[in-house]
Amino acid sequence: EAQVTQNPRYLITVTGKKLTVTCSQNMNHEYMSWYRQDPGLGLRQIYYSMNVEVTDKGDVPEGYKVSRKEKRNFPLILESPSPNQTSLYFCASSPDTASDTGELFFGEGSRLTVL
Amino acid sequence: GENVEQHPSTLSVQEGDSAVIKCTYSDSASNYFPWYKQELGKGPQLIIDIRSNVGEKKDQRIAVTLNKTAKHFSLHITETQPEDSAVYFCAASFTGGGNKLTFGTGTQLKVEL
Repeated sequence: EAQVTQNPRYLITVTGKKLTVTCSQNMNHEYMSWYRQDPGLGLRQIYYSMNVEVTDKGDVPEGYKVSRKEKRNFPLILESPSPNQTSLYFCASSPDTASDTGELFFGEGSRLTVL
Repeated sequence: GENVEQHPSTLSVQEGDSAVIKCTYSDSASNYFPWYKQELGKGPQLIIDIRSNVGEKKDQRIAVTLNKTAKHFSLHITETQPEDSAVYFCAASFTGGGNKLTFGTGTQLKVEL
């Protein structure tokens, strides 16, 4: 089954404790992206990657890091989480890159709480 | 950068009625306008999209209209059913923009029996 898989789905952590949210897709998509969803703010892009070893900032990159060492994986790293990073996070992938626009396939989300 | 405004934030309709959600965008370069549906506990899923070379697109009970001059686009759902209850997001982007979608703030649609 074609899918985007995120882990963990739920996480409660404390300020300053480094964490990683993994994202993996099995559709051989070149494009991957991370979004955060907050009430009243919709979905905001954190980082995106158009291919292996190519990453770029989205609209709200502060406090986050990403890497794209393999085509299928795009982990989101919070080096020193703070309470304002409490949010619902979505990973997404797409077969289309800079040359066109196309459908985003989203994972089921990771709800992160930072105390 | 692009800014997308979406209204209303909540919408309640009776089963069988129509529902309309409206979005406006700011960047005249935007030429791709998708709509995503997010069911409870799930990630958003594309339901319909429109590109700037057409004014309307239909897919069974859902349709999207685009007015490029006024920079607004709308989602129309006819004969609503309980399974249409969800959060709907509009978005905008442009070809060559790195597949960067700017999303609206979402509309919680509730279809009541």
